[in-house]
Amino acid sequence: EMQMVESGGGLVQPGGSLRLSCAASGFSSSLYWMTWVRQAPGKGLEWVANIKQDGSEENYVDSVRGRFTISRDNAKNSVYLQMNSLRAEDTAVYYCARDSGGGNYLPWGQGTLVTVSS
Amino acid sequence: QSALTQPASVSGSPGQSITISCTGTSSDVGSYNLVSWYQQHPGKAPKVMIYEVSKRPSWVSDRFSGSKSGNTASLTISGLQAEDEADYYCCSYVPISTYVFGTGTRVTVL
Repeated sequence: EMQMVESGGGLVQPGGSLRLSCAASGFSSSLYWMTWVRQAPGKGLEWVANIKQDGSEENYVDSVRGRFTISRDNAKNSVYLQMNSLRAEDTAVYYCARDSGGGNYLPWGQGTLVTVSS
Repeated sequence: QSALTQPASVSGSPGQSITISCTGTSSDVGSYNLVSWYQQHPGKAPKVMIYEVSKRPSWVSDRFSGSKSGNTASLTISGLQAEDEADYYCCSYVPISTYVFGTGTRVTVL
């Protein structure tokens, strides 16, 4: 069974940092683009970042560019999101997902909650 | 990277058909057949229902269908059932190599 499991969320103060991890199982993540999507409490989905199969290309939504860094370790079948200079508006559930092609995100993880507050 | 525009809510009675629109621009929805649709029940992760405008994963009911005309994509749910009550989001490719979600639509089964 294909599965994604996120971890690393928690409470952090504004300006702080957090590193999210996403472990894939049931498939080789090295064959796919991998993506992070977030959802603020009571709000809609927001595409955050993606990374190419070999890590040679990364893309970000404007609101996180320069603060967040996506990376991957294909040997560990994992993808990461390093979040720096966190703001209150970054508070959200963060999901990782496999891009099965052209924005066909499957599977998704269960999400990990990041709360930025003093 | 502006969110695609969806109606905030759509409702229908059991057995009826409803359509959710997703309006983008000529730079995203209008230029690429890379529009997907996601269903999300409260407290759950999203689930893909349609990808590449009109393709349906094998496990998704054929009551769900997708289409596109110009800068607007649409998701139609026919034979509406209570279990279809959820939030629905469209998603489109935006060059180069990024994506954008729609604002989301709450579907209510009356």
